[in-house]
Amino acid sequence: GAVVSQHPSRVICKSGTSVKIECRSLDFQATTMFWYRQFPKQSLMLMATSNEGSKATYEQGVEKDKFLINHASLTLSTLTVTSAHPEDSSFYICSARDRGLAGDRSYEQYFGPGTRLTVT
Amino acid sequence: GEDVEQSLFLSVREGDSSVINCTYTDSSSTYLYWYKQEPGAGLQLLTYIFSNMDMKQDQRLTVLLNKKDKHLSLRIADTQTGDSAIYFCADATGTASKLTFGTGTRLQVTL
Repeated sequence: GAVVSQHPSRVICKSGTSVKIECRSLDFQATTMFWYRQFPKQSLMLMATSNEGSKATYEQGVEKDKFLINHASLTLSTLTVTSAHPEDSSFYICSARDRGLAGDRSYEQYFGPGTRLTVT
Repeated sequence: GEDVEQSLFLSVREGDSSVINCTYTDSSSTYLYWYKQEPGAGLQLLTYIFSNMDMKQDQRLTVLLNKKDKHLSLRIADTQTGDSAIYFCADATGTASKLTFGTGTRLQVTL
């Protein structure tokens, strides 16, 4: 149980184009999904928190107009990198919290396998 | 802001125990987690501990928490080559759903 998928796993795009990354909870409903960015050999940096049916909450320094997040259902959140540039190249990882868990377990986050974005 | 620190690298021999350490600064941390990341993959939750606990054991994994010193450790008994990965500690505060991750420790298991 608690499987999170991401699609695509890898994408290469040209500078100036937009790229959409999908994050799905496969066997549970996710009240909240999170988007992280990880640079090589570095830790995960939270970009935004996405709640189903409402606007995402972005971390300080993350441009909301550049990284568009849509959380249209309890099992799907999307991150669109608009007008991508080479500095946006990174490993993007999503995670999700299971709305069916209570108590201690309600804080657990299940992570997707990540999407490697390369902008040329 | 919150800061979570880990040593960058640890090398152990197969069969030995590994101890990965983590320090954090936020005294209001409620849950502390250990995640494992294999190359090119997402994160796998290994275990977690609530801040009112000192120790938690789960098969080969033992988590120790010293809340006074804000120090967390993960001990892996009988370390195997399959344990080679990057290990991240993370903490969550209060009712916040955000996790703050440490810098990650790369564990290398040698034969």
